[in-house]
Amino acid sequence: AQKVTQAQTEISVVEKEDVTLDCVYETRDTTYYLFWYKQPPSGELVFLIRRNSFDEQNEISGRYSWNFQKSTSSFNFTITASQVVDSAVYFCALSEGARDDMRFGAGTRLTVKP
Amino acid sequence: DSGVTQTPKHLITATGQRVTLRCSPRSGDLSVYWYQQSLDQGLQFLIQYYNGEERAKGNILERFSAQQFPDLHSELNLSSLELGDSALYFCASSSLAGASTDTQYFGPGTRLTVL
Repeated sequence: AQKVTQAQTEISVVEKEDVTLDCVYETRDTTYYLFWYKQPPSGELVFLIRRNSFDEQNEISGRYSWNFQKSTSSFNFTITASQVVDSAVYFCALSEGARDDMRFGAGTRLTVKP
Repeated sequence: DSGVTQTPKHLITATGQRVTLRCSPRSGDLSVYWYQQSLDQGLQFLIQYYNGEERAKGNILERFSAQQFPDLHSELNLSSLELGDSALYFCASSSLAGASTDTQYFGPGTRLTVL
C-alpha cells in the first residue's frame, strides 16, 4: 500500500540550528513522485519540491536541501541555519502514476525559537 | 501567492445545512483538486476535475459533490453537514495532463466550522 511516514510529530530548535525532517515512503511502483509542502501558521500549503523516482540527485535550494535515497525509501529535508520564519508544518507526499491520488504524511511541526 | 484563489476564507454554519466552496485555478491550469484537512484524518484527497470532467475520486462522501465549469473554476458542494465535516478545505490546481504526479499548487483554503 502507498504510505508516507513522518515519524517526527514535532521538532523544536533554536534559530541558526540545522534541522532534518524525515520522510519514509512505501510503494511497489518503480515510477513515483515525492513532494514536500510547507504549511505556515497562516494555513496555506506552499509547494517546495517535486522529485521523481529516477532522479536520486540531492537537491539544494538556498538553505533547503533534500536527500533522496531509494535504498532506504527516504526523502529527507534539511534546513540549514534555521530561522523563525521556517516555523511551520511540513508535509511529505507521494504520488504514483498508477494511482489517482497524492498521499500526504501526517506532517512535522517545526518550531524555530529566536 | 500560488495563484489559486478560494472563497470564502471562513464559513460557519449549522448541522444539516448545505454550503458551496469556490475555487479558481491558476491561469492556464486545467486540473482542479479538492482536499480536506482535519485534525484526525490529516490531508485527504477528495476529488479531481480535468477540463470540466471528473478525473479521479478519493475519500469523498456521498453528501459531497463537485463540478468544474467551462471557465475552469470549480465548486465543492457539501450537504447535510455534520459536526465532523468541520475542516480546512483546500483546492489545488496543476498545469500538466492531470495526473496525480503533477505538481499541485494549493489555494489558501476555506475553513469550515459546523456548529
